[in-house]
Amino acid sequence: DIQMTQSPSTLSASVGDRVTITCRASQSLSGWLAWYQQKPGKAPKLLISKVSNLESGVPLRFSGSGSGTDFTLTISSLQPDDFATYYCQQYSTYPWTFGQGTKVEIK
Amino acid sequence: QVQLRESGPGLIKPSETLSLTCTVSSGSIRNYYWTWIRQPPGKGLEWIGHYYRATTDYNPSLKSRVTISVDTFKNQFSLKLSSVTAADTAVYYCARESVEPAAGGLVDSWGQGILVTVSS
Repeated sequence: DIQMTQSPSTLSASVGDRVTITCRASQSLSGWLAWYQQKPGKAPKLLISKVSNLESGVPLRFSGSGSGTDFTLTISSLQPDDFATYYCQQYSTYPWTFGQGTKVEIK
Repeated sequence: QVQLRESGPGLIKPSETLSLTCTVSSGSIRNYYWTWIRQPPGKGLEWIGHYYRATTDYNPSLKSRVTISVDTFKNQFSLKLSSVTAADTAVYYCARESVEPAAGGLVDSWGQGILVTVSS
């Protein structure tokens, strides 16, 4: 299985901060990398596909970048609605696998 | 906008078979990957497997115990997980994977999730 490692596991930030979450894969993903946002008690929501493609309706303050095995999710100016847990996911090779999650908390 | 809803028992005993159904509204069930993903309480997400046009793929860690099937007439798909233990306690999500890329993998729609507890 491809192992997905996110860092940090928890991130404390304030409204307006620029936030960066990293995701490292145990092998190259050829760009098949997605990001999801999950709020407590809710299902995850797809934010970004194919490393950097923003899904319809997702605010432009979210962006994704990276290649090969190293990827980044950036929130340019953190908003109250963004406090949540974020997961990266590879869909390059079966079985699809997720990172362990990064919880973005209010500082 | 597709909607998915899980149904099934919330409590089952060890060694029993977990059976869940997902009802898909708004759209045909024929043209997408239909997927099950689970999340143990307080933990991360685990892909269980998916079904697409009479073909299934399963996570090797669960493959010997999992069956995913589709009923196109009812617009439903189902999960069966046999010989459950406490380690199978989780929120189970039914979901849809896009057909782009062709192998699936991008989960673009999710059900609300159902907590299944394994306990005697």
